[in-house]
Amino acid sequence: QVQLQESGPGLVKPSQTLSLSCTVSGGSISSGGYFWSWIRQHPGKGLEWIGYIYYSGSTYYNPSLKSRVTMSVDTSKNQFSLKLSSVTGADTAVYYCAREHSGYDYTQFDYWGQGKLVTVSS
Amino acid sequence: SSELTQDPAVSVALGQTVRITCQGDSLRSYYASWYQQKPGQAPVLVIYGKNNRPSGIPDRFSGSSSGNTASLTITGAQAEDEADYYCNSRDSSGNHLHLLFGGGTKLTVL
Repeated sequence: QVQLQESGPGLVKPSQTLSLSCTVSGGSISSGGYFWSWIRQHPGKGLEWIGYIYYSGSTYYNPSLKSRVTMSVDTSKNQFSLKLSSVTGADTAVYYCAREHSGYDYTQFDYWGQGKLVTVSS
Repeated sequence: SSELTQDPAVSVALGQTVRITCQGDSLRSYYASWYQQKPGQAPVLVIYGKNNRPSGIPDRFSGSSSGNTASLTITGAQAEDEADYYCNSRDSSGNHLHLLFGGGTKLTVL
């Protein structure tokens, strides 16, 4: 059973960089066939896809966040990470990591972390 | 980029059938996947592809698609089905590796 767990600071100051990691257990990031994803949810709002990364390092980001997002993968630790720069209060959200698996004509997030609340405040 | 549009709220009487819809141009090219989210919990995949249920999802959940609209149907809704439901697909308007979520539908079981 694949499990994902987010970790990182729960409080970030405005203008600083939000940094989160996701540790994967029960499966190898390097096995291929999956994109490792970040999704966020503002308080009381819907889900927003931030982007994802393949084990090779290929990345795809939401165009609305692309200028501030960097994702990386560490296959030796079976982890992938998110950095979001120049944060404001609008970046306060629960951040989820998830495994994305695609078919020819669909996408799906089949495993999710429990979520990490990150608050941007001075 | 495209958008996926969902009704904000839907209600259903206990034991009855309810359909939750998701509209968007991308759904002409891609099937939607559907997620159930209960308060304080991570989303759970309930339907993916043409009409596939992950292991452990009750068969009262089903999916369908027509034109630019995808639907999640719950046949015989139970109290535990009360939750937020989100659709998700690829974005067909630009980079098809970009993904979209609908705004979510809050389902109330009466």
